[in-house]
Amino acid sequence: QVQLVESGGGLVKPGGSLKLSCAASGFRFSDNYMTWIRQAPGKGLEWVSHISRSSSYTHYADSVKGRFTISRDNAKNSLFLQMDGLRAEDTAIYYCARGRLSFDYWGRGTLVTVSS
Amino acid sequence: QSVLTQPPSVSAAPGQKVTISCSGDSSNIGKDYVSWYQQLPGAAPKLLIYNDNKRPSGIPDRFSGSKSGTSATLGITGLQTGDEADYYCGAWNSSLTVVFGGGTKLTVL
Repeated sequence: QVQLVESGGGLVKPGGSLKLSCAASGFRFSDNYMTWIRQAPGKGLEWVSHISRSSSYTHYADSVKGRFTISRDNAKNSLFLQMDGLRAEDTAIYYCARGRLSFDYWGRGTLVTVSS
Repeated sequence: QSVLTQPPSVSAAPGQKVTISCSGDSSNIGKDYVSWYQQLPGAAPKLLIYNDNKRPSGIPDRFSGSKSGTSATLGITGLQTGDEADYYCGAWNSSLTVVFGGGTKLTVL
């Protein structure tokens, strides 16, 4: 069955960096766009970034552009999100999801807390 | 402030029908497909509807989606207490991103 498992979250100081990972299994990873979506505590969903099947195309929300970098390793069925210059407003649960226009599988998420 | 507008809350009795609206504009809902997600308390979101009105395998036909112009609607019939959750609409945006509504909390009285 399809599984997406995020890891790498934690507590980081403002201005710091963190790299999230998402391990995928149960489907042909290289055939799918992949997306990061976040949810601040008690708030709604916010699309963060997506990456095309071969990494040719990446797009970012304005709120993270220039600070976050999405990447993938199709050989290892893994998706990544490098987060630099973290701010308090980046505090959220970060979900890895399969898809581009709609998202049919989601991981359980990993919590990122940015605080001094 | 979310790009797509949803009512903050809706409620109905068990067995009844409820609809949740999602309003956008010509750069998102009016341009491309809408999807809907259910988020149960403490859980990750789950896809309910994609391409405006299609249900993934395993989603009961009590859930339906429709779209007209720049607005979309999620309908749920035969309400059950297990349907209590937050519901989100999402749509592709002309800026090559996805935008979501602010979410609607469904209470089954």
